[in-house]
Amino acid sequence: RKEVEQDPGPFNVPEGATVAFNCTYSNSASQSFFWYRQDCRKEPKLLMSVYSSGNEDGRFTAQLNRASQYISLLIRDSKLSDSATYLCVVNVGNKLTFGGGTRVLVKP
Amino acid sequence: DAGVIQSPRHEVTEMGQEVTLRCKPISGHNSLFWYRQTMMRGLELLIYFNNNVPIDDSGMPEDRFSAKMPNASFSTLKIQPSEPRDSAVYFCASSGTGGRLEQYFGPGTRLTVT
Repeated sequence: RKEVEQDPGPFNVPEGATVAFNCTYSNSASQSFFWYRQDCRKEPKLLMSVYSSGNEDGRFTAQLNRASQYISLLIRDSKLSDSATYLCVVNVGNKLTFGGGTRVLVKP
Repeated sequence: DAGVIQSPRHEVTEMGQEVTLRCKPISGHNSLFWYRQTMMRGLELLIYFNNNVPIDDSGMPEDRFSAKMPNASFSTLKIQPSEPRDSAVYFCASSGTGGRLEQYFGPGTRLTVT
């Protein structure tokens, strides 16, 4: 079983709609969690940190469920510019483990 | 402030040649990470340094790969000799102190070994 698993997608989302997707992790000792965004042929960029049960930043909401060992990301009012691959990242010690990413395509 | 700086941005070389990738972390950050990304394997951690000291190199694929961090503002990743299967995008990332574990990535070096 992979340490961090994500649905690769793609999630095809109409502009203005809400989309949500999950990430599961296997190591119960995981201490902190992040969502990164990666555009095609670009570097991953930090989207949100999730240190407690959840975090909200504008149209983006991340939730953490430690009992079930998953993190979710919800995007409201999707914009065309939200099209990207979203990487779930789990920290154990000082090491980050990246999921394979979920691809989101927002269409007009 | 400048972000993480990597050079070169693109490298095309022939099998058997030595390749050196360079990274300058964000000023004040004390941890530096080298990653490799391919379509097949995704993003993999190769090695990371804390205060210029290598902490975990378990991700380095084989002895052909080596990394150094001679000072707080510079690191290199060397492949010698290079092979076609080393073709990938190599990212450098850095993170700071004070319990902030967020990593900030450089633009990457796209390596093609023919």
